Amino acid sequence: DAGVTQSPTHLIKTRGQHVTLRCSPISGHKSVSWYQQVLGQGPQFIFQYYEKEERGRGNFPDRFSARQFPNYSSELNVNALLLGDSALYLCASSSEPSRGTQYFGPGTRLLVL
Amino acid sequence: AQSVAQPEDQVNVAEGNPLTVKCTYSVSGNPYLFWYVQYPNRGLQFLLKYITGDNLVKGSYGFEAEFNKSQTSFHLKKPSALVSDSALYFCAFGAGSARQLTFGSGTQLTVLP
Repeated sequence: DAGVTQSPTHLIKTRGQHVTLRCSPISGHKSVSWYQQVLGQGPQFIFQYYEKEERGRGNFPDRFSARQFPNYSSELNVNALLLGDSALYLCASSSEPSRGTQYFGPGTRLLVL
Repeated sequence: AQSVAQPEDQVNVAEGNPLTVKCTYSVSGNPYLFWYVQYPNRGLQFLLKYITGDNLVKGSYGFEAEFNKSQTSFHLKKPSALVSDSALYFCAFGAGSARQLTFGSGTQLTVLP
């Protein structure tokens, strides 16, 4: 079975631009979470979605938004990019939000110049 | 604030020797505790989790961890290290659920041949 997939794998943007990252969960998983991992640090929680509804939000500015589609795939959008947004963005899926183990995708590496 | 701490940035161990990667937690209530491993340029791979029940948890690739409530610890162990175990290890917790994971800063494990 395919694991969590993310696209693109790498992305280079300039300050002020907008970016959209995509994630497809493991088949049968209905919950998707997004994390940001800055170089040298552990991942930080951004959002969790379950059944297309936001179930949790981390301490990130409103420039960050996300949504989940009827097929449970998800998009993370970041507006007005800053240099500090350069990071590995990880998507994780789980069978249910409260007790299900989160399985991570390979991530999208974003570089903001 | 609730948190997990990984007191060692780097752990070196000889191949064939037992390994321990330390994690302590400061979480109110019943913590959900996890270990993940990250190989270079890869996402996180799930190793094991503790939610409730037996304090000794067995996971993937021969790893295990012991939940110790009195010492608020959840150390990762393996009886005999392999060179291929060399990677970045993260401890994480969910406060009362697996929903919003908070990660430690990571421990770089190097197994020397």
